[in-house]
Amino acid sequence: DAMVIQNPRYQVTQFGKPVTLSCSQTLNHNVMYWYQQKSSQAPKLLFHYYDKDFNNEADTPDNFQSRRPNTSFCFLDIRSPGLGDAAMYLCATSSGTTDGNQPQHFGDGTRLSIL
Amino acid sequence: GESVGLHLPTLSVQEGDNSIINCAYSNSASDYFIWYKQESGKGPQFIIDIRSNMDKRQGQRVTVLLNKTVKHLSLQIAATQPGDSAVYFCAENIADSWGKFQFGAGTQVVVTP
Repeated sequence: DAMVIQNPRYQVTQFGKPVTLSCSQTLNHNVMYWYQQKSSQAPKLLFHYYDKDFNNEADTPDNFQSRRPNTSFCFLDIRSPGLGDAAMYLCATSSGTTDGNQPQHFGDGTRLSIL
Repeated sequence: GESVGLHLPTLSVQEGDNSIINCAYSNSASDYFIWYKQESGKGPQFIIDIRSNMDKRQGQRVTVLLNKTVKHLSLQIAATQPGDSAVYFCAENIADSWGKFQFGAGTQVVVTP
C-alpha cells in the first residue's frame, strides 16, 4: 500500500545532542510537511516543501532544519534539542494542485524524548 | 451526545448511538475543510472533507455539515462503534497560504459499551 513511513517510531536523545528524524513516502506526492504535536494538542506546522521549494513557518525555531534530497524522502534535523522539543513529530504529504486544497496523508509519527 | 466544540474536549458516547462533533472555525475566507481521526500512538487519518460550495457531504457512516454563516463545521458519526474512539480534529485551509491548514484543538471521543 502507498504510505508515509516515519523512522524511528521512538527516538531518545540527550539534551543538546543533534537528532535527525526521517520520513519516506510511496505516494509520489510533491508536497511534504513536518508538524510538531505535543500531548493533547493539535499538530503545529513547522515547515513544508513543494517539490524542492522550502517554506518555513515564521515561528519555527532556527534549531529546526529540514532536508528533502528527493521526492520520496524528507528529514527533520534538530540541531540542539531542548527539553521543550520533546513531542511527537508528524510527517505528512499531499498531492500538489493549483489550489493546494487536498487532504494530507500522515505518517504515524516519531515520538521524541529528551534526557 | 453532542460536543460543543473546543470548550468540551471529551465526548462520551454509548456504543450504537450517533455522535456529533462540533468545530468553530476562525476565518470566513476559508473554503476547504477536513476532518481527521487520530488514534492513540498514530498519525491523523483523513475521514472526510468538504468545500465551501457545499453544505453537506456524506461518507461511510459519517456526514460533515458546513454552516458558513456562523462558521461552524460538524462531523456526525452514525452508530458509533468502539473503533471510533479517538481524537477528532477539524482543519480549515488558510486563505492565501497555499497548501496550509489550521487545525482545531480536537475532541476526544470515548465510546462506552
